[in-house]
Amino acid sequence: SQELEQSPQSLIVQEGKNLTINCTSSKTLYGLYWYKQKYGEGLIFLMMLQKGGEEKSHEKITAKLDEKKQQSSLHITASQPSHAGIYLCGADPLNYGGSQGNLIFGKGTKLSVKP
Amino acid sequence: DVKVTQSSRYLVKRTGEKVFLECVQDMDHENMFWYRQDPGLGLRLIYFSYDVKMKEKGDIPEGYSVSREKKERFSLILESASTNQTSMYLCASRKIWGNYGYTFGSGTRLTVV
Repeated sequence: SQELEQSPQSLIVQEGKNLTINCTSSKTLYGLYWYKQKYGEGLIFLMMLQKGGEEKSHEKITAKLDEKKQQSSLHITASQPSHAGIYLCGADPLNYGGSQGNLIFGKGTKLSVKP
Repeated sequence: DVKVTQSSRYLVKRTGEKVFLECVQDMDHENMFWYRQDPGLGLRLIYFSYDVKMKEKGDIPEGYSVSREKKERFSLILESASTNQTSMYLCASRKIWGNYGYTFGSGTRLTVV
């Protein structure tokens, strides 16, 4: 079965520093989703990547999917305390048309930003 | 604003009680899901449903059941709550066609004492 490995598990950065979170799949990714979760709350959708080499940005967060579609990275520029939380990657386990719609998830990366 | 609503943010129940967790979505999504989230284990799929009255077991269905009588509502039932079911429960929904991700509810933190 397909698995998603996230690294690092946790990260503490000084405010203003850049950081990168990685998500690696054992199989080809047909849809890769990034979510953010604040402590004790639900997950908020950030971005979705589908094509090899695709890159999307929103404010100071950039997500990329490699050409082989087995690895994605989430990069935060000039981190702020508001970026703190748990970041999770999720993926369609099969070509979406062949799945029953459930995503698989990495275990998450806990980000703390020190003021 | 479209959303998924979970009926309770926090619940405390006693061992052996029957517990109902309710989830309602207003986006006309076909698929709905229940996950539990535990430190170090990530999100684990309990049950999901792709249509009214349809249900499929996820990875950890033991001790749980679900009900989907209407398209917008998906209920998770703990038949006899146990302390190892203390967890964060997350409901999500998804459109069946197209590459759309999940929309999640705010979560229910359940403590079984």
